[in-house]
Amino acid sequence: DIQMTQSPSSLSASVGDRVTITCRASQGISSYLNWYQQKPGKAPKLLIYTASSLQSGVPSRFSGSGSGTDFTLTISSLQPEDFATYYCQQSYSTPPYTFGQGTKLEIK
Amino acid sequence: EVQLVESGGGLVKPGGSLRLSCAASGFTFSNAWMSWVRQAPGKGLEWAGRIKRKIDGGTTDYAAPVKGRFTISRDDSKNTLYLEMNSLKTEDTAVYYCTTIVGGSYHHFDNWGQGALVTVSS
Repeated sequence: DIQMTQSPSSLSASVGDRVTITCRASQGISSYLNWYQQKPGKAPKLLIYTASSLQSGVPSRFSGSGSGTDFTLTISSLQPEDFATYYCQQSYSTPPYTFGQGTKLEIK
Repeated sequence: EVQLVESGGGLVKPGGSLRLSCAASGFTFSNAWMSWVRQAPGKGLEWAGRIKRKIDGGTTDYAAPVKGRFTISRDDSKNTLYLEMNSLKTEDTAVYYCTTIVGGSYHHFDNWGQGALVTVSS
C-alpha cells in the first residue's frame, strides 16, 4: 500500500499568514492527490483534487501543487474559518485509498 | 443539492453486528461509485470500502482491517447504500461516513454524509 506522510502534524499561525502543508507519498503517484479540510464535529470537505484543481466553491486562497511524491497545500492568507485539520489522500493505486495522518492548523 | 444521510449507528457489543444505511438524493445514485470512510475518535481518516456502479460490475473492495467482516451493498431503486458490519471489534469504534467517488480515474471523495457513530464496547 502507498503510505502518505504529512508535515507538520500541527501548526500554529495567525490570521493573514501564508501557510504551507506538505504531503509525501511512499512512491510516485503522478497527480493522483487530493486535499480535504475537516472542522471539529463535521464531515471532511474536498478542497483540491488531482493535486492542483480547486473544488467548486472553495476560496481561491487555497492552492495545491506537486507531482510524483511531493505535494503542497498553500493557504495564501489565513482566515478565521480556515483553522481546521487538513488531510491529503492518494488515489493512484487503489484499493486501498490512503490518507495522510492529518495536519492540525491552530490559531497562534 | 447532493445529500447523503447516514443512519443505523449505535452501541454494539464486541462480536456483534450492525447495519448502516446511507440515503442519497440530489444526484443519479445508480451512476455513482460509493464509498465508506471511517474515523476513530480523535484519529485520522481511514478508507473502509467501496462499491462500483452496476454498469461497471457493481463489485466491492475493502480495506484489509475490515475485509471478510464488512459487506457493502446498494439498492439503486431506493437510492440507498448499506454497510453490513459483522464480528465487530472495539477497534471498529468510529464515525462512519458515506461518500461519493468521482473523477474518472482520478478518484476523489466529493460529497460526504454527516456520519454515523458506531461504538463497540461491552
